[in-house]
Amino acid sequence: SAVISQKPSRDICQRGTSLTIQCQVDSQVTMMFWYRQQPGQSLTLIATANQGSEATYESGFVIDKFPISRPNLTFSTLTVSNMSPEDSSIYLCSVKLTGPSEQYFGPGTRLTVT
Amino acid sequence: AQKITQTQPGMFVQEKEAVTLDCTYDTSDQSYGLFWYKQPSSGEMIFLIYQGSYDEQNATEGRYSLNFQKARKSANLVISASQLGDSAMYFCAMRGLNTGGFKTIFGAGTRLFVKA
Repeated sequence: SAVISQKPSRDICQRGTSLTIQCQVDSQVTMMFWYRQQPGQSLTLIATANQGSEATYESGFVIDKFPISRPNLTFSTLTVSNMSPEDSSIYLCSVKLTGPSEQYFGPGTRLTVT
Repeated sequence: AQKITQTQPGMFVQEKEAVTLDCTYDTSDQSYGLFWYKQPSSGEMIFLIYQGSYDEQNATEGRYSLNFQKARKSANLVISASQLGDSAMYFCAMRGLNTGGFKTIFGAGTRLFVKA
């Protein structure tokens, strides 16, 4: 299994500002993902965080808005840039281990943009 | 393209009774995995059960079982002997095991209410 922590757990930010969310895993993992969950909605994959190279973004998400870093196999950051109220969501870090069923999620970061 | 469909926005069940949460999927992958997660009001995603597309037996984990019907592309979750603590959001999810960058996609979710 994997233990994932995220910082901050929640934040209230003003529109136009940026917030960086950290994800720390207790073991080295190859595959790390960032998801967004808007209020009352399901989870949507933002990007796959690749170690040592640029993240792979899903349709509808761009690097300028959601820059991602992955400096090593245990850590990643997601920045939500130039925030608007529509960015109010839970942002979840997730990792996949070697077994097909092994996908774990962090506790999430609850972001409110005013 | 892959797709997960959960058609029940909300479900009610009496405590101690069984409940089935529906999930259908669509994929062109030959090898894939199906998941169910529970999300309580705290927001954490709790893994419940996994079914591989080539698994011959339906998966079971304690009070959870997955009714896998491959030809019908359905992967329903059965919760037996419901408890008040089962009240939560439930998500069905799928991931191609050899393609798609190992990305997991999620259904819209079903909110389960367990009545005392």
